[in-house]
Amino acid sequence: DTGVSQDPRHKITKRGQNVTFRCDPISEHNRLYWYRQTLGQGPEFLTYFQNEAQLEKSRLLSDRFSAERPKGSFSTLEIQRTEQGDSAMYLCATSFVGAQDTQYFGPGTRLTVL
Amino acid sequence: RKEVEQDPGPFNVPEGATVAFNCTYSNSASQSFFWYRQDCRKEPKLLMSVYSSGNEDGRFTAQLNRASQYISLLIRDSKLSDSATYLCVVNRDYGQNFVFGPGTRLSVLP
Repeated sequence: DTGVSQDPRHKITKRGQNVTFRCDPISEHNRLYWYRQTLGQGPEFLTYFQNEAQLEKSRLLSDRFSAERPKGSFSTLEIQRTEQGDSAMYLCATSFVGAQDTQYFGPGTRLTVL
Repeated sequence: RKEVEQDPGPFNVPEGATVAFNCTYSNSASQSFFWYRQDCRKEPKLLMSVYSSGNEDGRFTAQLNRASQYISLLIRDSKLSDSATYLCVVNRDYGQNFVFGPGTRLSVLP
């Protein structure tokens, strides 16, 4: 499978715990995005990398959220001290510069905070 | 006012019908426009990019009206398999910060 992959697909955690999600992009894609989606809403932009550089970050992203893409390939999204309001689907998307911004999404990680 | 607005629907149409969705955006500096399709509990998938001159892909036609700041999607000869949520996407300014609308749900009925 050469698409975008995400791990885990589902995560249930207790409030206050830290969680980390991983995204593996399509191999030649140098842009990587993280989104959050709740029921009945479209995906909400969280952050974006070009290669290993984090170039944009949503103002809505609290300091409990951090993302990395250390070698310009896979990326991780960590949420510290989770809250019930963090429950959502976390989507990763990747694209190739010059490909008209076409983003390819992974299947997402569904987070439930109890 | 939200940056990208769509009628959430649902639009319930019979097979073979023509259906049109509109999407309005507030940022006049936006440069890139897309329609994505999202099936229930699945990830969004690109349906088509939207160009200033309008573009067509089979039964799907997309239009952009920069003066009025809206984009549209027309689906002709609807199929059962077209049932999904259609997401309008606009970039914020010139960057890679993309704003998704809440989506319009379409149900094509037999």
